[in-house]
Amino acid sequence: QQQVKQSPQSLIVQKGGISIINCAYENTAFDYFPWYQQFPGKGPALLIAIRPDVSEKKEGRFTISFNKSAKQFSLHIMDSQPGDSATYFCAASRSFGNEKLTFGTGTRLTIIP
Amino acid sequence: EAGVTQFPSHSVIEKGQTVTLRCDPISGHDNLYWYRRVMGKEIKFLLHFVKESKQDESGMPNNRFLAERTGGTYSTLKVQPAELEDSGVYFCASSQGGAGNTIYFGEGSWLTVV
Repeated sequence: QQQVKQSPQSLIVQKGGISIINCAYENTAFDYFPWYQQFPGKGPALLIAIRPDVSEKKEGRFTISFNKSAKQFSLHIMDSQPGDSATYFCAASRSFGNEKLTFGTGTRLTIIP
Repeated sequence: EAGVTQFPSHSVIEKGQTVTLRCDPISGHDNLYWYRRVMGKEIKFLLHFVKESKQDESGMPNNRFLAERTGGTYSTLKVQPAELEDSGVYFCASSQGGAGNTIYFGEGSWLTVV
């Protein structure tokens, strides 16, 4: 049983475009929703995270949109750049991130010139 | 400041052999986690240490896997005997105690069982 579902599996976006990755969760006890970015040969690195008391969080070109009633959250990358090409994982946790992370399956993002 | 370091970075072993993976967390981090990603699938939780105690080991697949954390510092994950389905990348992660702290991942140990 996969508790966090992520789509799409892969995504190709033109440079300057908007990249959108979606996740849905089942466990209403989750209260911390991070996004991780992973480059080949490296470990996942925290990109941005949100708690369910807000509907949106923005950091530079990266925005998380959160819909608590629909149990969905998404990552938007504005003005996508070739350097953004990586695998992105959504995740969820309880206790504001002090417990284990439950990950989505990942999205391989490719930004083309 | 050094990040989370893992050894070895790559390992190829035969089915039935034993492999021990090591993780050195960021200094001062009480929380230490092990995760695994099998090819093309999600990163799955294995277990969580708080200092030297196992807080949650609900993700350990079976008793062929043994994790230890000596004195609340580095941790080892032993697979004995290894099976083909154990192949994947094993990530170690650490964080400070308390809610809302960033979980930092190592670069992973790639294990191939042939």
